[in-house]
Amino acid sequence: ETGVTQSPTHLIKTRGQQVTLRCSSQSGHNTVSWYQQALGQGPQFIFQYYREEENGRGNFPPRFSGLQFPNYSSELNVNALELDDSALYLCASSLGDRVHEQYFGPGTRLTVT
Amino acid sequence: RKEVEQDPGPFNVPEGATVAFNCTYSNSASQSFFWYRQDCRKEPKLLMSVYSSGNEDGRFTAQLNRASQYISLLIRDSKLSDSATYLCVVNFRQSMNYGGSQGNLIFGKGTKLSVKP
Repeated sequence: ETGVTQSPTHLIKTRGQQVTLRCSSQSGHNTVSWYQQALGQGPQFIFQYYREEENGRGNFPPRFSGLQFPNYSSELNVNALELDDSALYLCASSLGDRVHEQYFGPGTRLTVT
Repeated sequence: RKEVEQDPGPFNVPEGATVAFNCTYSNSASQSFFWYRQDCRKEPKLLMSVYSSGNEDGRFTAQLNRASQYISLLIRDSKLSDSATYLCVVNFRQSMNYGGSQGNLIFGKGTKLSVKP
């Protein structure tokens, strides 16, 4: 296993609600990247956190926000949930920008009804 | 145009077949290239990096053609356990204001492979 954990594993929310997803990175990794994978699609980059600061962002609206904590764990927050937010949310940890050593967690499957 | 495009699939092949996956990418400044494997309802896992000189890992061979912006993966003697979705992935590293860099993975849509007995 990668040592990257995510919680919860599954979540059902109603449109308009807010959600917080959590990720614990692999020991020694200081960078966390978040991805959204809709059904039948490849993962899409949401943003990356490096040493508690946002370090790049994909094409996602501001209602997608995040945090990284001193222990390098991370949260993804989504406000005003929409039906299209239903997806598998993956976090990946790495040391710096070593993307070839980016290890994924098992993901959180979010369903918005 | 999508940044990374793959064969739409799915591929249904018998055990022992040779399977080829093709992928093109649009950003000529892309710097790193990978194939990931994703089992149903699981996270993606790195299968292999792809180098310009081509590289092989057992039954798997990856090729990169930078001039054509084309990446391929060949699986020989396919096994039932090879059944999965294969994702073509590229990386473009951007310089950041603080002097460091940021790199994220850009995934294709994936091609599903089913190997049948």
